[in-house]
Amino acid sequence: QQKVQQSPESLIVPEGGMASLNCTSSDRNVDYFWWYRQHSGKSPKMLMSIFSNGEKEEGRFTVHLNKASLHTSLHIRDSQPSDSALYLCAAQISGGNYKPTFGKGTSLVVHP
Amino acid sequence: EAAVTQSPRNKVAVTGGKVTLSCNQTNNHNNMYWYRQDTGHGLRLIHYSYGAGSTEKGDIPDGYKASRPSQENFSLILELATPSQTSVYFCASGVGDQDTQYFGPGTRLLVL
Repeated sequence: QQKVQQSPESLIVPEGGMASLNCTSSDRNVDYFWWYRQHSGKSPKMLMSIFSNGEKEEGRFTVHLNKASLHTSLHIRDSQPSDSALYLCAAQISGGNYKPTFGKGTSLVVHP
Repeated sequence: EAAVTQSPRNKVAVTGGKVTLSCNQTNNHNNMYWYRQDTGHGLRLIHYSYGAGSTEKGDIPDGYKASRPSQENFSLILELATPSQTSVYFCASGVGDQDTQYFGPGTRLLVL
């Protein structure tokens, strides 16, 4: 059974600062990674996906993927209090068995 | 954006009682999922389905059954509820490979 490890468990950054979150899969067959954001009391919503080695940027959010090390990272620049949330990483093996595995998440607090 | 609804939103049940959680999606997604979310455990997959009439066991299926009578509806059934099943339950739907999950609003279940 694949495991998805996220670090750190919690993170506090000042408003305007940079937040960096990490995620690693234990399964060498993983092809797809997602980052979901879950505000308190709400359901998770997909923030970014990355399926190829390299970097992807959307506004203040940048995601990196290194398939050789099965590692993805999410970077939030100019962090805002509204970014305070639980960030969940999900990983999935391609083909046939559509069953993503989620990590336990990183709790981000951005203080004004 | 995919529309996934869940009912009830909150439920109090007694130990040994039967509980049915319902999920409906209106975007014609083939795949549907049931997760539970507990502090310190992240999202854990209970059951999932590839289409009407199919159900598959996820990572923690013990004590739960699932039913997918149609493309739109996916139910989670607790035949004999126990206090350890107190949790927040999320339903999600997705299209297929590279399966971004679209989550419902969640159901808070308390088993006394």
